[in-house]
Amino acid sequence: EAQVTQNPRYLITVTGKKLTVTCSQNMNHEYMSWYRQDPGLGLRQIYYSMNVEVTDKGDVPEGYKVSRKEKRNFPLILESPSPNQTSLYFCASSSNSYSNQPQHFGDGTRLSIL
Amino acid sequence: AQRVTQPEKLLSVFKGAPVELKCNYSYSGSPELFWYVQYSRQRLQLLLRHISRESIKGFTADLNKGETSFHLKKPFAQEEDSAMYYCALSPGANNLFFGTGTRLTVIP
Repeated sequence: EAQVTQNPRYLITVTGKKLTVTCSQNMNHEYMSWYRQDPGLGLRQIYYSMNVEVTDKGDVPEGYKVSRKEKRNFPLILESPSPNQTSLYFCASSSNSYSNQPQHFGDGTRLSIL
Repeated sequence: AQRVTQPEKLLSVFKGAPVELKCNYSYSGSPELFWYVQYSRQRLQLLLRHISRESIKGFTADLNKGETSFHLKKPFAQEEDSAMYYCALSPGANNLFFGTGTRLTVIP
């Protein structure tokens, strides 16, 4: 089954403790991205990647890192999480075969930073 | 800069009534526009895109370049349409800019 898989689905942690949210897709998509979803703000893009070893900042990159060493994986790293990063996070992927392809979303990861 | 505006955070309609979810955008070029839907406890998924000009689950959306709008419409709302709806704009290169979303509730 074609899908985008995020782990963990839920995480409660404390300020300053480094964490990584993994994202993997099995559709051989070139494009991957991370969003955070907050009430009243909709989805905002954090980082995106057009292909392996190519990453760019989205609208709200502060406090986050990403890497794209393999085509299928696009982990989101919070080196020193803070309470304002408490949010629902979505990973998405799409094909670059031609532009503006629909994105496929993961189930989401709910992070709570205390 | 691109911007997507969904003026209604919440919208309630009765079952069988028409529904229209508003979306306005600002972008200097020719964007591609999408509607995504998120049902309760499910992932965000594509509902329709303007370039396809198709009807999905009874929903249609027409791009009005003069009014810079891409409103989502359905003539007869069903209970299973209750969900969060996001309008999104893509200026190109796969990037998506989302509106703040409208939560639709269809009252039985």
